[in-house]
Amino acid sequence: GAGVSQSPSNKVTEKGKDVELRCDPISGHTALYWYRQSLGQGLEFLIYFQGNSAPDKSGLPSDRFSAERTGGSVSTLTIQRTQQEDSAVYLCASSPRDRRLAGLGVNEQFFGPGTRLTVL
Amino acid sequence: DQQVKQNSPSLSVQEGRISILNCDYTNSMFDYFLWYKKYPAEGPTFLISISSIKDKNEDGRFTVFLNKSAKHLSLHIVPSQPGDSAVYFCAASHSAAGNKLTFGGGTRVLVKP
Repeated sequence: GAGVSQSPSNKVTEKGKDVELRCDPISGHTALYWYRQSLGQGLEFLIYFQGNSAPDKSGLPSDRFSAERTGGSVSTLTIQRTQQEDSAVYLCASSPRDRRLAGLGVNEQFFGPGTRLTVL
Repeated sequence: DQQVKQNSPSLSVQEGRISILNCDYTNSMFDYFLWYKKYPAEGPTFLISISSIKDKNEDGRFTVFLNKSAKHLSLHIVPSQPGDSAVYFCAASHSAAGNKLTFGGGTRVLVKP
């Protein structure tokens, strides 16, 4: 079956330009997450969607970052006026309906291959 | 403030021997822990997890141990195989934060044939 897909796989942009990164989660997965991995660092949480709503945006580093999800499926992460420190691999993950509510533990998150963003 | 730390950035081990990866955390609210494996140019893949109500979980060659009092967990891979060469990330979550994962910085494992 199809896994999580992300596009583009690589994006090179100039400082100050806006970029859009896309994530297609696994069909039927209601939860969607964005993380980023800067060079030599671990994964850093950005934002979490349950359906189309984002109950946790606490990881977005500045107001230049925004994300939306439509139809409970595809999500877009937008970075406005990109800066060099935005260069990183942006990873999307999805997981099924929250099993925690049924006492079945934390859902495994399935990750896409990421988008490598380079801001010159 | 790093809430999840993997203090060893790299580990080299001979094929067939045991690999031991360590992870420390500071947030006592964490109640679920996961290990992910990552190959270059791919997203992380889930390996094994453990709830805070347990101290050990085993799945084939992989075993995770949790020491809550020390806020420490470890992943044992035995026997190590060359295909295990990858970066391993420890992650943690707590109920109040939904499924948001807090990751460590990763440990690069090299298994030598």
